[in-house]
Order: sequence, then C-alpha cells, then structure tokens
Amino acid sequence: DSGVTQTPKHLITATGQRVTLRCSPRSGDLSVYWYQQSLDQGLQFLIQYYNGEERAKGNILERFSAQQFPDLHSELNLSSLELGDSALYFCASSVGQQTVTDTQYFGPGTRLTVL
Amino acid sequence: AQSVTQLGSHVSVSEGALVLLRCNYSSSVPPYLFWYVQYPNQGLQLLLKYTSAATLVKGINGFEAEFKKSETSFHLTKPSAHMSDAAEYFCAVSASGYSTLTFGKGTMLLVSP
Repeated sequence: DSGVTQTPKHLITATGQRVTLRCSPRSGDLSVYWYQQSLDQGLQFLIQYYNGEERAKGNILERFSAQQFPDLHSELNLSSLELGDSALYFCASSVGQQTVTDTQYFGPGTRLTVL
Repeated sequence: AQSVTQLGSHVSVSEGALVLLRCNYSSSVPPYLFWYVQYPNQGLQLLLKYTSAATLVKGINGFEAEFKKSETSFHLTKPSAHMSDAAEYFCAVSASGYSTLTFGKGTMLLVSP
C-alpha cells in the first residue's frame, strides 16, 4: 500500500460525458502527479501540482483539467469523453517537486471505460 | 527531449535464471534514470534510480542496474528470478531534478517454474 488513494476504482461511462477522478496523496506529500496508461500510448504524464499550484504540464488534452485543493487532494476532470479516453489513470504523490530526490508513490489507479 | 526505449515487450525466464531487461535512453543532457515495477492491479513502485553518483545502482528485491554512457543504456538485472518477480517493468528518464518522468512502453516479465 503506497498510501495514495484513488476513487473510484472503476468508472464506466458513455461518450460525450464528463467524469471526475479523485486522488488523496500520502500524508505530508505536497506534489500530485496525474498519468494516463493505455495500451497504445503507454504511460504518459499529464500534469503536476505542487501545494495547490500547477507545476508542469505534459500530454494533457484541452478537454481534461485538474486542480489541487487546499487539503492537497486533487481531482482530474475529463469532459466530452471519447472512446480513446478509455485508460487507467494513475495519481502519484511526492514530498517535494524534485524528480530525482523525491520519490513518486503511485496510487492503484482508476480504470475508465468509455462506451 | 528525452526518451527511453525498452527492448522486448515480453521477456520469459525460468525461476532461478538471470533476469535482464533492456533500456536505452536518448537525452540531450546527462539523464537521471529510473526503473519502476508494476504488479498486477497495482500502481507503480520505484525499484531503483541513477542520479549520477555510482554507475552501478542497487535497488529493492535484489535488482540492480548499470548506467553505461557509451552505450546509452540502463539495463536492469537480477541474478536469480523468483516467481514473485513476475510483473511489468518500466524504465523512465528525467532530464533534470525538476523535469517530469518520461516512461518507456514497459516490459512484461514472465517467470515459469
């Protein structure tokens, strides 16, 4: 158990819909990262927040957005869903912002299926 | 931009045999390199990382990796495979301490009795 929690574990929805994925970081961690894992694209970094502020952006679509709240939990919002958005979405957290010194701890993921 | 290539989407070994998972990187600057493991239905877990100190890096569960600049490689090895090592392994690269991680496509390790 990494200490990172993600809800829900599974989500099935239809094209065009909007969903929200939730992540609670480990106690004391200030950074939250979101990743998308799919069969064709592999594991891709989406976005990072540190202490409530956006720190880095990766291959995140404009239809996707995220935020980190004062209690440090984070939400990833996916809208106008397409079949290709079906994937496993991981959240990770770390104490600080540095990739090298601050180990990222991954949650168990949310599996999104778009029908 | 940095990238990693993992050779072989699947590697099969017998229990007790040597494990060798290959990773080659491309980076315009001296990279930081990582190996992560993903067990079925779980998130990723850090195995080890290279941060420009020792070129031979030891990680958890008996794994180690050697950074070879001349070969742009960071292969993961374990002398003797165990059934519990069956999982997917990801190599990742970061260009700097504040850069994000770029992952390879992953290699599924299958261990047979």
